[in-house]
Amino acid sequence: GESVGLHLPTLSVQEGDNSIINCAYSNSASDYFIWYKQESGKGPQFIIDIRSNMDKRQGQRVTVLLNKTVKHLSLQIAATQPGDSAVYFCALEAGYSSASKIIFGSGTRLSIRP
Amino acid sequence: DAMVIQNPRYQVTQFGKPVTLSCSQTLNHNVMYWYQQKSSQAPKLLFHYYDKDFNNEADTPDNFQSRRPNTSFCFLDIRSPGLGDAAMYLCATSAQDSPNEKLFFGSGTQLSVL
Repeated sequence: GESVGLHLPTLSVQEGDNSIINCAYSNSASDYFIWYKQESGKGPQFIIDIRSNMDKRQGQRVTVLLNKTVKHLSLQIAATQPGDSAVYFCALEAGYSSASKIIFGSGTRLSIRP
Repeated sequence: DAMVIQNPRYQVTQFGKPVTLSCSQTLNHNVMYWYQQKSSQAPKLLFHYYDKDFNNEADTPDNFQSRRPNTSFCFLDIRSPGLGDAAMYLCATSAQDSPNEKLFFGSGTQLSVL
């Protein structure tokens, strides 16, 4: 079945440093992966996504890397800021057509040290 | 602004007393989802509607039901809430007229069961 897991439940980073959040998945049929950011008391917010025909995609201060060989996904945040404090979830699409759905991993809490 | 709106923001109900949570969207998306999120856990998909087609997750208890009277509205009905149903309930939408569209989340309804 589908499953998504994260290596570390919490991550503490010095302000200004780069953050790397990792995620492992088991469904080799998945071809769409997403990172979400969830701040306290809010719904998850889309950050960046990547399809399986790519191994890297960059956004503003964020980069997602996909290694399908080892089923590993990572989110890199450059120059981490206090506003980046949140829980980060990796997710993947499972299923097909009208039954397709987004499955979430267990989340990593990112905290920023001043 | 187009968005996903959940009401109420906080809901308190009594053990065994039916409760309904509401979600509306102005995005005109054809897919609507309900997720349950307990403290420090990932959102867990309960079910989703692809247009009028209902897709129930295999492990969603019968106590949870959903209605989608039109494109804009979707309801989550909990017929007999138990203490274990206390959680954040998140509604999300996506436009799956093309593959792999990202989810747009509401702010959630925090349900307490007394």
